[in-house]
Amino acid sequence: EPEVTQTPSHQVTQMGQEVILRCVPISNHLYFYWYRQILGQKVEFLVSFYNNEISEKSEIFDDQFSVERPDGSNFTLKIRSTKLEDSAMYFCASLRTDSNNEQFFGPGTRLTVL
Amino acid sequence: LAKTTQPISMDSYEGQEVNITCSHNNIATNDYITWYQQFPSQGPRFIIQGYKTKVTNEVASLFIPADRKSSTLSLPRVSLSDTAVYYCLVGGRTDKLIFGTGTRLQVFP
Repeated sequence: EPEVTQTPSHQVTQMGQEVILRCVPISNHLYFYWYRQILGQKVEFLVSFYNNEISEKSEIFDDQFSVERPDGSNFTLKIRSTKLEDSAMYFCASLRTDSNNEQFFGPGTRLTVL
Repeated sequence: LAKTTQPISMDSYEGQEVNITCSHNNIATNDYITWYQQFPSQGPRFIIQGYKTKVTNEVASLFIPADRKSSTLSLPRVSLSDTAVYYCLVGGRTDKLIFGTGTRLQVFP
């Protein structure tokens, strides 16, 4: 069964550093999403991406965040200058358009900002 | 997007049927009802989706009354591995998913 993959599984960084989280969505999916989940809290929507552009973003997704689909397979989330409060699990998800709203989630990247 | 309300937690024993009810009074005409499951440190996983009446797949059933203001996820004969958080969400086909706190199901032997 096809699946969404994410790398790295765990990223440790110093406050103020840039990080790039990588995702490979399922190949025939056209909608892509990033979510995050701070430890013990709800899963929060960050951004959705369709047709090579952001279709929606949340208040969390400020100027420090950006997304990119640099080639036909990868979907990246960049945090330019990490803050302590960015520590969380970051989940990538993808969606096919000819079916129900079954978003397929990756295993997540645990980001720890020190 | 419609707000949902579901119990914070539920306990069950192996082999029992578990029913988790979710209310979504402000559901829109175009909204679907979707349930996800999440294990600790893993991404949410789609369980089932419906628009009205009843939907059944290999893992669960979803009951939706005619007014669509609530829905019930039914898990037949739960096992220990069904211990997880279950989320009820409503929205359109390609909408962002808005997760609440979900229902923490604990299954005991």
